[in-house]
Amino acid sequence: KNEVEQSPQNLTAQEGEFITINCSYSVGISALHWLQQHPGGGIVSLFMLSSGKKKHGRLIATINIQEKHSSLHITASHPRDSAVYICAVRSKAYGQNFVFGPGTRLSVLP
Amino acid sequence: EPEVTQTPSHQVTQMGQEVILRCVPISNHLYFYWYRQILGQKVEFLVSFYNNEISEKSEIFDDQFSVERPDGSNFTLKIRSTKLEDSAMYFCASSVEAGRSPLHFGNGTRLTVT
Repeated sequence: KNEVEQSPQNLTAQEGEFITINCSYSVGISALHWLQQHPGGGIVSLFMLSSGKKKHGRLIATINIQEKHSSLHITASHPRDSAVYICAVRSKAYGQNFVFGPGTRLSVLP
Repeated sequence: EPEVTQTPSHQVTQMGQEVILRCVPISNHLYFYWYRQILGQKVEFLVSFYNNEISEKSEIFDDQFSVERPDGSNFTLKIRSTKLEDSAMYFCASSVEAGRSPLHFGNGTRLTVT
């Protein structure tokens, strides 16, 4: 069983749609990272959160510590949002290093 | 905005050869990491480094791997005798604090072992 699970695995949306990507994990965590991996392979940090909600532009990340679940929302999606979105969690259970989910591949069509 | 830089972007080597992957972390960051991503798979932790020593390493990081901070700016990952299964994208990352601040990743080095 993966320590960090994401859904959906793949997502295709039309430009302008509201998108939600989910992340669930099985242990208590100290932090959760949402990352974006570009088609060329580079990884960019979007959010790091341990509670509540964060917003940056069209991106919103929420976390529910009790339910061990986080969501990444993209409002008014655009083709340039096409990428793999990765959730990573940090926990004492994993030696205080980040454990990564398998990623969600998003394609936004014009 | 400061960036983590990695060189080379792509390295091709023959099985059994030694490779050194180089990284320049962001200058005021204190924690450094190497991660690996085999094609089509998830990102995996290799090693973390703080105060000039390894703080944690994964099962992947066996005796074939070593890290070094030879001067005040570079952070290197050496693979002593490469195997076909070492072919992957290797990412360097750095952060100001361990776990309390976000990871900043380099663009990666794609290592191909033939």
